[in-house]
Amino acid sequence: NAGVTQTPKFQVLKTGQSMTLQCAQDMNHEYMSWYRQDPGMGLRLIHYSVGAGITDQGEVPNGYNVSRSTTEDFPLRLLSAAPSQTSVYFCASSYSGQAALDGYTFGSGTRLTVV
Amino acid sequence: QKEVEQDPGPLSVPEGAIVSLNCTYSNSAFQYFMWYRQYSRKGPELLMYTYSSGNKEDGRFTAQVDKSSKYISLFIRDSQPSDSATYLCAMRKHGPGGKLIFGQGTELSVKP
Repeated sequence: NAGVTQTPKFQVLKTGQSMTLQCAQDMNHEYMSWYRQDPGMGLRLIHYSVGAGITDQGEVPNGYNVSRSTTEDFPLRLLSAAPSQTSVYFCASSYSGQAALDGYTFGSGTRLTVV
Repeated sequence: QKEVEQDPGPLSVPEGAIVSLNCTYSNSAFQYFMWYRQYSRKGPELLMYTYSSGNKEDGRFTAQVDKSSKYISLFIRDSQPSDSATYLCAMRKHGPGGKLIFGQGTELSVKP
């Protein structure tokens, strides 16, 4: 099925460990983004990309790195996990500039716990 | 101050009630306004969108935008237990690659 695929669905990390959250889409969307969702905070933008080779910071980028080598993939890297990064992470994609409205398609999320 | 404010609730209503969900915003450059619905342990899905001011209706759902007051609303008529979810407002400026800014989300429970 076409859409946004996130892996893994669940992950437990120890403080200081590193990991990569994977995100792939097969809709040829130019725009991809990562959000974290915490209780009472809504969705907060971490990093985004308007196309392959182009990334930029969002509202809460500290502690996270991204790269965009292909249109399909947009991995999120945690270099040294901290308990404050315990959250649910969502990847989202959309067309960019091709339509009057960009409605995002979200993945099903990755639940990350840092102990 | 957050650019988009939304009452987190929770909001509990009986089946058949009319539900009103609201968001306020501070950035007058926002042009596109959306409502997403998120079921428990799922990703958000686009429910409705409007461009600039005005109303839009889709079945039991009506979205309203009042740009002069920087206020948007989602009304749900004849609410059903299947409407129980978290509703997030979102908005963005005009132009390509615009970032979506979300409200905190309102948790809605419709009791049979």
